Amino acid sequence: DAKTTQPTSMDCAEGRAANLPCNHSTISGNEYVYWYRQIHSQGPQYIIHGLKNNETNEMASLIITEDRKSSTLILPHATLRDTAVYYCIVSGDNTDKLIFGTGTRLQVFP
Amino acid sequence: NAGVTQTPKFQVLKTGQSMTLQCAQDMNHEYMSWYRQDPGMGLRLIHYSVGAGITDQGEVPNGYNVSRSTTEDFPLRLLSAAPSQTSVYFCASSYSSYSGNTIYFGEGSWLTVV
Repeated sequence: DAKTTQPTSMDCAEGRAANLPCNHSTISGNEYVYWYRQIHSQGPQYIIHGLKNNETNEMASLIITEDRKSSTLILPHATLRDTAVYYCIVSGDNTDKLIFGTGTRLQVFP
Repeated sequence: NAGVTQTPKFQVLKTGQSMTLQCAQDMNHEYMSWYRQDPGMGLRLIHYSVGAGITDQGEVPNGYNVSRSTTEDFPLRLLSAAPSQTSVYFCASSYSSYSGNTIYFGEGSWLTVV
């Protein structure tokens, strides 16, 4: 599975868009990009995933570059409840072998 | 649906004791797995299963055993607990083996070995 690189921490003002970057330069053609988040010590929560195209759901948008070597998770209107650690994960033909890194700690402030 | 259910939520063990962390899912998922998370760290994969009767090792399998006799249950056994196994344990499940499926996590089991 490809490795990912994320910034250790980021801040975002409440109500503003939070843009979380992720580099996955060794991603292969059949590997998906997943985003999960973990609030305090709760179980990780699925946010979104994509293969090539940009994706949007009720929680967030995922922008994947054309060469697929990086992506950005966008929380359009961050709230205090979005404060969490966000994990970018790349996984191929076995979804159960999700390999987590240390993620980005997002702090949303009033 | 209850989703992924883990028991117990908290447990204190003495070094050398054995115990089993239970995990059950009611979503008819083929894939189940166990992760551990140490303070300030990401999740590390211990063992996983692609279906009943099939298990395999993850990144950190030593000191843990698993079995998958039914689709619903995937217990994690600590045969002889060590202080290094103090951690938070998460069970997860997903629908199938094909990439692109969502993985659902339980709420975690906090284990302390003294």
